[in-house]
Amino acid sequence: NAGVTQTPKFRVLKTGQSMTLLCAQDMNHEYMYWYRQDPGMGLRLIHYSVGEGTTAKGEVPDGYNVSRLKKQNFLLGLESAAPSQTSVYFCASSYSMGRTNIQYFGAGTRLSVL
Amino acid sequence: SQQGEEDPQALSIQEGENATMNCSYKTSINNLQWYRQNSGRGLVHLILIRSNEREKHSGRLRVTLDTSKKSSSLLITASRAADTASYFCATDANSNYQLIWGAGTKLIIKP
Repeated sequence: NAGVTQTPKFRVLKTGQSMTLLCAQDMNHEYMYWYRQDPGMGLRLIHYSVGEGTTAKGEVPDGYNVSRLKKQNFLLGLESAAPSQTSVYFCASSYSMGRTNIQYFGAGTRLSVL
Repeated sequence: SQQGEEDPQALSIQEGENATMNCSYKTSINNLQWYRQNSGRGLVHLILIRSNEREKHSGRLRVTLDTSKKSSSLLITASRAADTASYFCATDANSNYQLIWGAGTKLIIKP
């Protein structure tokens, strides 16, 4: 049982380049999330999805786009990378039973933008 | 915006001692969760406590919740080197979809 898988694990980009981070979950979860984590800070929500074909903005959405074409996949795109987007990116998935939302995380993608 | 605030930011103790970390939050909640993050890894859910519960145990973990003070504490008893990690609290903030995260407490267990 793989859980939540993120690819790639590491990436170095030059300013202005684009890339897509892929998140895949095999737990049939409805909800999926993209976070970024910077040193000394907690997780900040970039975008999230509550079901196939739906996406919504989180706390820090600028410079990112997402798509959820299939229930098990959630893609995060950077159209024109900036040094401020150097961070560790985490994908998570969850199902919600009432107000209980336990999230399951991938191992992260470490992105450096030069 | 960060709702949960952990205290202390960092904690270093000897193996075998107990470790206590605290979380404060700002708005009403339905539940509060604690997660662990080992270095270079993703977060792992540890325990959830509901707003109508005051204390919950799971193995060597003890969580308390005081909704009147909007605070929670996580106690790890008889600490082990493997407990070295960052610990985060997360609240639902009355949302079905989102969690609000604190900045975390970095715990170091010295052998």
